Amino acid sequence: DTAVSQTPKYLVTQMGNDKSIKCEQNLGHDTMYWYKQDSKKFLKIMFSYNNKELIINETVPNRFSPKSPDKAHLNLHINSLELGDSAVYFCASSLDWTGDNSPLHFGNGTRLTVT
Amino acid sequence: GQQVMQIPQYQHVQEGEDFTTYCNSSTTLSNIQWYKQRPGGHPVFLIQLVKSGEVKKQKRLTFQFGEAKKNSSLHITATQTTDVGTYFCAGNTGTASKLTFGTGTRLQVTL
Repeated sequence: DTAVSQTPKYLVTQMGNDKSIKCEQNLGHDTMYWYKQDSKKFLKIMFSYNNKELIINETVPNRFSPKSPDKAHLNLHINSLELGDSAVYFCASSLDWTGDNSPLHFGNGTRLTVT
Repeated sequence: GQQVMQIPQYQHVQEGEDFTTYCNSSTTLSNIQWYKQRPGGHPVFLIQLVKSGEVKKQKRLTFQFGEAKKNSSLHITATQTTDVGTYFCAGNTGTASKLTFGTGTRLQVTL
């Protein structure tokens, strides 16, 4: 059983479209994240939720809207997609939000290509 | 904001050679984690270091946390082709689960 699963694996879309990425974890973790990995492999945190509550919201355009219906799910909706949004988006989870002895478990990633 | 830099950016070694990547933070860390990402894969947690000067080993991998808790290193002895990937350090300042990932070091190993 996959611990952190995200769908879709690949997403190719045109500029201006709206798309969503879904993430689910079956580890019983309290905290979930969205990370963006650009073409240079830099990993940057976008959002973090703890028990459905937003605790980290980095400087991300408001076209990106996360939603956590329960602590096992964290979805990412992107409006009006732009070329610069092309990247790999990773969902991750951790036991709690403190960071102490709480490593991240990543999903397999969603490769988003905006044309 | 906090910055975490890694050097080198890329290293190509022959199988059997040693490899080291260095991680430097602009701020003092409460702990540091290391991850490995295989080509086309996702980051996988390797280890966490918490104490100043801590050294941990996993088979051929040796991890160190600096005395000032601002730097760390990962050393691989006698690399194998299975070691290929990008190694990331990730620093935690202890506030609200905000891990800051390093810039990564890509390791290529050839026979």
